[in-house]
Amino acid sequence: GQQLNQSPQSMFIQEGEDVSMNCTSSSIFNTWLWYKQEPGEGPVLLIALYKAGELTSNGRLTAQFGITRKDSFLNISASIPSDVGIYFCAGQNSGGSNYKLTFGKGTLLTVNP
Amino acid sequence: GAGVSQSPSNKVTEKGKDVELRCDPISGHTALYWYRQRLGQGLEFLIYFQGNSAPDKSGLPSDRFSAERTGESVSTLTIQRTQQEDSAVYLCASSLRVQGEQYFGPGTRLTVT
Repeated sequence: GQQLNQSPQSMFIQEGEDVSMNCTSSSIFNTWLWYKQEPGEGPVLLIALYKAGELTSNGRLTAQFGITRKDSFLNISASIPSDVGIYFCAGQNSGGSNYKLTFGKGTLLTVNP
Repeated sequence: GAGVSQSPSNKVTEKGKDVELRCDPISGHTALYWYRQRLGQGLEFLIYFQGNSAPDKSGLPSDRFSAERTGESVSTLTIQRTQQEDSAVYLCASSLRVQGEQYFGPGTRLTVT
């Protein structure tokens, strides 16, 4: 099956710093999604990407759909304490009858005030 | 508006017992997914429902797992003869369209003792 490698596994940064994380896949996806999960809660959708090369922002977050369709990155600018959580990338295909998401293992972000 | 809801939020059961988990999707969402999240891991796909089509059960780990959905409403995930390795958070997601954003519930944390 498809594999997603997400890196880094964890990051410990100072408030105000910028953050970058990425995912690479062994095969092509047609959609990339980025989620944030906080303890005891379900993942919350941050950004959805639908076209190769697409660059999309949501406030301080920016994500890009890699041109090869096998990778995506998420940047967070000027981090704040409430950015703490686990960030997951997820890829989706549009063929066939199943639109399941394949998830990376997550990047744990800690922000030191 | 109301998001995806799941119940119970926590379930502790003895090994060998059956459990039933419930998901209420966002109203009008035709697609519904179940995922499993083991401690410190990303999400693994279990089963997918789309309208009145036959569900895609390709992610179910064993025949002890089953799920049902009535039309485009509530879904239940049943685990029979639970084992300790079934301990995980079970997450439900729904989407308006088959391609793209999936919205997650808060999950049910299952602990098998």
